Amino acid sequence: QQPVQSPQAVILREGEDAVINCSSSKALYSVHWYRQKHGEAPVFLMILLKGGEQMRHEKISASFNEKKQQSSLYLTASQLSYSGTYFCGTEGADSWGKLQFGAGTQVVVTP
Amino acid sequence: GAVVSQHPSRVICKSGTSVKIECRSLDFQATTMFWYRQFPKKSLMLMATSNEGSKATYEQGVEKDKFLINHASLTLSTLTVTSAHPEDSSFYICSASGGKGIDGYTFGSGTRLTVV
Repeated sequence: QQPVQSPQAVILREGEDAVINCSSSKALYSVHWYRQKHGEAPVFLMILLKGGEQMRHEKISASFNEKKQQSSLYLTASQLSYSGTYFCGTEGADSWGKLQFGAGTQVVVTP
Repeated sequence: GAVVSQHPSRVICKSGTSVKIECRSLDFQATTMFWYRQFPKKSLMLMATSNEGSKATYEQGVEKDKFLINHASLTLSTLTVTSAHPEDSSFYICSASGGKGIDGYTFGSGTRLTVV
């Protein structure tokens, strides 16, 4: 079952912050975050494991609320290179290894 | 880091022909690989799980006879789109894990298939 991602799109000025949310209706083992540039394959950013710590990739961090089956990705002091479409991929507790991706959040960072 | 090579990157074929897409793990062995399909400005839809030495597991709604998957070795999985039609035109991407769960999954560069 596809997780729900919000917002659909966000436009930021360089240096601003943003939050992307991902929620699932099923019990999760992990949440992955990927960024995809136009015409390219998705690139792995980080994984949040059940019972694990908050993760960080440069100035991008993420959290995982196991009780609510929700994850949030925090873009802090955004850079131009952060532009792209961000996808969360959820791995169900009963379907290890198989990722279901959210619809994506398009992020545009302007100078 | 883990590298997944996918070939070809672009292919145009005539309606009714078959197209084979290769996915290779270059510096690690992958007993499991995943095949996704992505429509323009849409999310990645999992098509099937490719298992080395056994039959692939297809997601609901994906035609097994249409999308043939072969995982002949620990480093190679192939997806063959048989009797392709224009509606099969899409971006196909494979992924594999290097084995360490914390490293996530590495995606191939994708194959843009256009059926004319």
